[in-house]
Amino acid sequence: NAGVMQNPRHLVRRRGQEARLRCSPMKGHSHVYWYRQLPEEGLKFMVYLQKENIIDESGMPKERFSAEFPKEGPSILRIQQVVRGDSAAYFCASSTTLGGEINTGELFFGEGSRLTVL
Amino acid sequence: KNQVEQSPQSLIILEGKNCTLQCNYTVSPFSNLRWYKQDTGRGPVSLTIMTFSENTKSNGRYTATLDADTKQSSLHITASQLSDSASYICVVSATGGFKTIFGAGTRLFVKA
Repeated sequence: NAGVMQNPRHLVRRRGQEARLRCSPMKGHSHVYWYRQLPEEGLKFMVYLQKENIIDESGMPKERFSAEFPKEGPSILRIQQVVRGDSAAYFCASSTTLGGEINTGELFFGEGSRLTVL
Repeated sequence: KNQVEQSPQSLIILEGKNCTLQCNYTVSPFSNLRWYKQDTGRGPVSLTIMTFSENTKSNGRYTATLDADTKQSSLHITASQLSDSASYICVVSATGGFKTIFGAGTRLFVKA
């Protein structure tokens, strides 16, 4: 059973370009979470998605950032017109629910995508 | 406000020594508390998960405790190894919603 797969692992973009980060959850997991981690800092929640639905995007900037988790294919975190401050590691996690309690599902993390904006 | 505070921010110990990391939280209503280990440049990996009714859980040399009354948890590492050098993250989830609050982590350095 493959773990959470993220790609690319490293991405370099110039200011103003677009960045697309992909996350394939573990098999059987229908919940995906995106987190951002700045150097020397903790993980910050961005967005929580289930298949075809955004459940909570309270941690995601209103402009330039968007996320989707289509019925088929990986979840995508899209950053338009990147700026230097977007440079960070972006982690994806997936989970499955246990007994209907959304938050008792263990979170399994990918290895992250490291975005560098020049 | 839901918060998770970890201490110390960083810690240096000699190989073979024990150490204890602390986590205080104000997340309510409490669902579960997890400790993760994050190696440099890698994704976090789960060490333990505890629900309200559990007050201790072990995973090899890692032992986590939970005091739901005082809203405190600790992670005790026994006979540390160089490979224990990492960030240890306390994560608390609330029931009835989607909120999972991450602590800033404790950076542990184990020296030979």
